[in-house]
Amino acid sequence: DTAVSQTPKYLVTQMGNDKSIKCEQNLGHDTMYWYKQDSKKFLKIMFSYNNKELIINETVPNRFSPKSPDKAHLNLHINSLELGDSAVYFCASSGGQGVYGYTFGSGTRLTVV
Amino acid sequence: GDSVTQMEGPVTLSEEAFLTINCTYTATGYPSLFWYVQYPGEGLQLLLKATKADDKGSNKGFEATYRKETTSFHLEKGSVQVSDSAVYFCALSDSDYKLSFGAGTTVTVRA
Repeated sequence: DTAVSQTPKYLVTQMGNDKSIKCEQNLGHDTMYWYKQDSKKFLKIMFSYNNKELIINETVPNRFSPKSPDKAHLNLHINSLELGDSAVYFCASSGGQGVYGYTFGSGTRLTVV
Repeated sequence: GDSVTQMEGPVTLSEEAFLTINCTYTATGYPSLFWYVQYPGEGLQLLLKATKADDKGSNKGFEATYRKETTSFHLEKGSVQVSDSAVYFCALSDSDYKLSFGAGTTVTVRA
């Protein structure tokens, strides 16, 4: 059973389109996250939700809108996609404040053409 | 704010060589420290962790010790294999719902 699953694995789309990435965790964790990994492999947090409440919103363009319908799901919607949005997006979850570790999904490789 | 600095790569080794990847951190509190590994084309896997000073994390022959006095968490493995080729990330969590990563070190092991 996959602990943190995200779909789709690959996403190729044109500039200006709107797309969504979905994430689900079956670990019973309270907190979920979106991370962005750029072409140099650098990982940066985008959002964090705890029990459906947004608690971290880094300096991300407002074209990116996360939504958490329940604590097991965290989706990421991106409007008006730009070339610079091309990256790998990772969903993750943790118990509490994450001091014992985070579990990551396998990633969604987004390519904007 | 919290930050992690790890040695730049890439690192290329021969099989059975000794691997060390240096990692130092800056934190305001008492963070937990982690090493994550990313194999080619895959997601991030937790390799090992330490939650307090002097703790030693270990897994798959890798070890790292939480050194508060030097604010370090260096990763070591005594004898690497080709299958250890991956990107290794040092990270910290300071009870603030955020995992901060170092820049990653690419390790290539040649047969």
